Amino acid sequence: DSGVTQTPKHLITATGQRVTLRCSPRSGDLSVYWYQQSLDQGLQFLIQYYNGEERAKGNILERFSAQQFPDLHSELNLSSLELGDSALYFCASSVSLAPRDEQFFGPGTRLTVL
Amino acid sequence: AQSVTQPDIHITVSEGASLELRCNYSYGATPYLFWYVQSPGQGLQLLLKYFSGDTLVQGIKGFEAEFKRSQSSFNLRKPSVHWSDAAEYFCAVVFGEAGTALIFGKGTTLSVSS
Repeated sequence: DSGVTQTPKHLITATGQRVTLRCSPRSGDLSVYWYQQSLDQGLQFLIQYYNGEERAKGNILERFSAQQFPDLHSELNLSSLELGDSALYFCASSVSLAPRDEQFFGPGTRLTVL
Repeated sequence: AQSVTQPDIHITVSEGASLELRCNYSYGATPYLFWYVQSPGQGLQLLLKYFSGDTLVQGIKGFEAEFKRSQSSFNLRKPSVHWSDAAEYFCAVVFGEAGTALIFGKGTTLSVSS
């Protein structure tokens, strides 16, 4: 158990819908990352937050957004869903912004868009 | 562009045999290097990491990896594979000057035969 929790574990929805994925980082970790794992793209970085502020963006679609709340949990919002958004979404947390910090991964949320 | 290459998509090794998984990265400066393992239906677990110093690093579960700057490689090795090592293995890199997000290779699936 990494200490990072993600809910829900599975999500099945229809095209055009909007969903919210939730992540609680390890106690004491200030940095939260979101990654997407799909068969065709592999593991890709989406977005990073640090202590409530957006820190870096990767290959995140404009239909996707995220935020980190004062209690440091984070939510990833996916809207106008398409079939291609079906993937495993991971949240990871680390203690600071140092490149050498280990990122601890949650178990992931599997999103299926029908 | 910064990238990580794992040339082998799938490898099968006999139980008790040695293992080497290859990883190459493209960049000028010394990156921060990681190997993660993902068991079916699980999140990612860190096996080992390299930042500087001794180029041979030891990790958990009997794994080790060697950084070779001249070859831009960070290959993962294990002297004797166990059936429980069957999983997907990801090489990942943080290019410090470009932020702290992990850039992943496509992964290598390891099967262990008896």
